[in-house]
Amino acid sequence: RKEVEQDPGPFNVPEGATVAFNCTYSNSASQSFFWYRQDCRKEPKLLMSVYSSGNEDGRFTAQLNRASQYISLLIRDSKLSDSATYLCVVNEIIRGGGNKLTFGTGTQLKVEL
Amino acid sequence: NAGVMQNPRHLVRRRGQEARLRCSPMKGHSHVYWYRQLPEEGLKFMVYLQKENIIDESGMPKERFSAEFPKEGPSILRIQQVVRGDSAAYFCASSPESGYSYNEQFFGPGTRLTVL
Repeated sequence: RKEVEQDPGPFNVPEGATVAFNCTYSNSASQSFFWYRQDCRKEPKLLMSVYSSGNEDGRFTAQLNRASQYISLLIRDSKLSDSATYLCVVNEIIRGGGNKLTFGTGTQLKVEL
Repeated sequence: NAGVMQNPRHLVRRRGQEARLRCSPMKGHSHVYWYRQLPEEGLKFMVYLQKENIIDESGMPKERFSAEFPKEGPSILRIQQVVRGDSAAYFCASSPESGYSYNEQFFGPGTRLTVL
């Protein structure tokens, strides 16, 4: 079983649509959670952190359910520029105070006219 | 403030040659991480370094791969006697010193290694 599992997609949606991505993780010791965005195999960029209480940043809403080990991302009013691969990421603090990130394989989103 | 820099951006090697990948962290960042992304796969943690110390190398292949982060200069990921299976994108990330679990890692543009 993969440590972080995501539906690879692609999700093809029209502009203005609402789309939701889900993710499950297996390591109950994971301490923090993120969604990253990766464009065309470029470097991943942090989209948002995910907190237990849920959090929102503009059109993006993230939810975390620690009991079910489940993370979600909701994108409202999709834009063409949202087309990318969305990476679910879990973090474990390791010795030395470092953060070991474990990435899902990503969910591809294509927003169309 | 320049971001994380990696060079070269593209590297072509023949089987059996050595590959050296360089990473300069963001100014003020003392933690460096290396990740590998194989074709059609997610990024995989390889190694975590602080200045002059390898802290966690649990993701590094046991042979041919080594990493360093000297007191002066960039972090180096070295792959000896490359094989076709080493073809991948290698990303470096850096972060400031902190034990905070939501500490952001900033990624460089990556080095795309192709082994012929």
